[in-house]
Amino acid sequence: DAGVTQSPTHLIKTRGQQVTLRCSPISGHKSVSWYQQVLGQGPQFIFQYYEKEERGRGNFPDRFSARQFPNYSSELNVNALLLGDSALYLCASRLTASRGYTFGSGTRLTVV
Amino acid sequence: GENVEQHPSTLSVQEGDSAVIKCTYSDSASNYFPWYKQELGKRPQLIIDIRSNVGEKKDQRIAVTLNKTAKHFSLHITETQPEDSAVYFCAASKAGANSKLTFGKGITLSVRP
Repeated sequence: DAGVTQSPTHLIKTRGQQVTLRCSPISGHKSVSWYQQVLGQGPQFIFQYYEKEERGRGNFPDRFSARQFPNYSSELNVNALLLGDSALYLCASRLTASRGYTFGSGTRLTVV
Repeated sequence: GENVEQHPSTLSVQEGDSAVIKCTYSDSASNYFPWYKQELGKRPQLIIDIRSNVGEKKDQRIAVTLNKTAKHFSLHITETQPEDSAVYFCAASKAGANSKLTFGKGITLSVRP
């Protein structure tokens, strides 16, 4: 079984640009969450989606948005990129609320 | 909101010794506490978790204990090996489909051969 897959693995963008990150959950997992991990810190919650509906949003500006598709894959969009958006963006999925989250390998975003 | 703190920030042990990593949380409504191991450049991997209806859980060399009254939980690794060297994150969340994980800042464990 494939794990959580994310694409691209690495990305370099210029300040002010927009970026879209993609995530495919483990087959059968309907819950997908996005986290931002800055170097030297723990992951910080951005969004949670379940059955294509937003179920939670972390303390991030409106420049961050996401959606979940009918096949439960998800996209994270960030507009008007800032240098401070440089981080590892992690996607996680889980089967049910009683099971733990499995993380993908992440997308390393560098904003220059 | 929930606040999770880890201490110490770094820990160095001799191979074969035990390591204990402690976390505290602030929200008494939290009832799910996972531990993740992250090696350099890799994804966080769930190594063990505990729910608030139990006080201890073991899996081979790894165990987690939970003290709900004091709002802290600990990861215990026995017979440490060099491959246990990594960053360990604790997290907390509430029950339900809308739960989010609140992570600590992580502890770097170094196991000296």
